[in-house]
Amino acid sequence: GEDVEQSLFLSVREGDSSVINCTYTDSSSTYLYWYKQEPGAGLQLLTYIFSNMDMKQDQRLTVLLNKKDKHLSLRIADTQTGDSAIYFCAAGSSNTGKLIFGQGTTLQVKP
Amino acid sequence: GAVVSQHPSWVICKSGTSVKIECRSLDFQATTMFWYRQFPKQSLMLMATSNEGSKATYEQGVEKDKFLINHASLTLSTLTVTSAHPEDSSFYICSANHATNEKLFFGSGTQLSVL
Repeated sequence: GEDVEQSLFLSVREGDSSVINCTYTDSSSTYLYWYKQEPGAGLQLLTYIFSNMDMKQDQRLTVLLNKKDKHLSLRIADTQTGDSAIYFCAAGSSNTGKLIFGQGTTLQVKP
Repeated sequence: GAVVSQHPSWVICKSGTSVKIECRSLDFQATTMFWYRQFPKQSLMLMATSNEGSKATYEQGVEKDKFLINHASLTLSTLTVTSAHPEDSSFYICSANHATNEKLFFGSGTQLSVL
């Protein structure tokens, strides 16, 4: 079945770049999303990329997509302590509208 | 931008009672809404797909008689947890599929605690 995999934990120092990786199995995925979940809060949509794009940059966030390998990454430049959260990758189909989520990557930013 | 309002954000109830959670798309029409459940330290799990004017489609293992879903209009879907038990305590999140641009937007979630 459809699956999305992420590494579970990443620790970086404040000011460094963070790279969170994700792989998915459904080749029909047309939208790929990154969500952020802060403690006790709901999901916040950070950014998304269409499957016909290779890269998308939005301020400190850069999303890279390798469609051939079904690999997605989220790079956060100049990581701040406020970036500490759980980051979810999700692959979605515009046909069904369903999203399949990864397990989430906990990002810990050390001062 | 598109906003999905989910209410309540937090509810505590006694075992055996029913709880209704609302999900509204505030500034767009949503032909399809989805309900997810998140257990502590786990990812979201899709529970059901709700289409306006028709019966919801439930994922395998989700009891349709326990988790009643109603999608009466293009802007509102409700999830009712009937005869709630402590094991139903969880974080429930809805999402709405924008009818025009097909993107998904999420509500802020409902933390349900059943005593």
